[in-house]
Amino acid sequence: AQKVTQAQTEISVVEKEDVTLDCVYETRDTTYYLFWYKQPPSGELVFLIRRNSFDEQNEISGRYSWNFQKSTSSFNFTITASQVVDSAVYFCALRLGGGGATNKLIFGTGTLLAVQP
Amino acid sequence: KAGVTQTPRYLIKTRGQQVTLSCSPISGHRSVSWYQQTPGQGLQFLFEYFSETQRNKGNFPGRFSGRQFSNSRSEMNVSTLELGDSALYLCASSLLTSGGQDTQYFGPGTRLTVL
Repeated sequence: AQKVTQAQTEISVVEKEDVTLDCVYETRDTTYYLFWYKQPPSGELVFLIRRNSFDEQNEISGRYSWNFQKSTSSFNFTITASQVVDSAVYFCALRLGGGGATNKLIFGTGTLLAVQP
Repeated sequence: KAGVTQTPRYLIKTRGQQVTLSCSPISGHRSVSWYQQTPGQGLQFLFEYFSETQRNKGNFPGRFSGRQFSNSRSEMNVSTLELGDSALYLCASSLLTSGGQDTQYFGPGTRLTVL
């Protein structure tokens, strides 16, 4: 069975602190895709990053960075120097590959990040 | 390029009624998926459409149905509404390129309240 676990329900930090959001996934498929989405209070899910199972290169984009480790089935997300505007619920999601048969996303339960000024 | 649009944004219905939600994908996107978000169950996949065909369906009762039109716009329908159907319904669209390396982009959602 496929599953995504985000053990952190809520995180509260003070502005300018670094924060890491954890994501652990389960799948027996060898081809899969991992995603992070951000959901601000407005409700819309905003795409942040996609990682393919065959690409373990980690990435940094501005204040965001991602650490993908197949050995531990983890896909963690770090915000450096957090800002109040980063306050949102962050979702990690898994999609199985293998010929592009489906776009179905399996979501974790989300982590509510509150950045205090 | 305009994003995914969903109408209406808010809806209030009573138990037993039916409701239709609409989703217009990003121009050029041919795949549309629907998700239900509730505090108790989180984000759950409802169904997925490509070229007017349902390709995948989540574990929801038959009261939940959908369709896709030739212009890729999609509608979902919920009949005989129950209190538990109160949720944020999110629509997502994607290009569905070959190889499965596709990203779904979400709309703002329709918040349905069933009284």
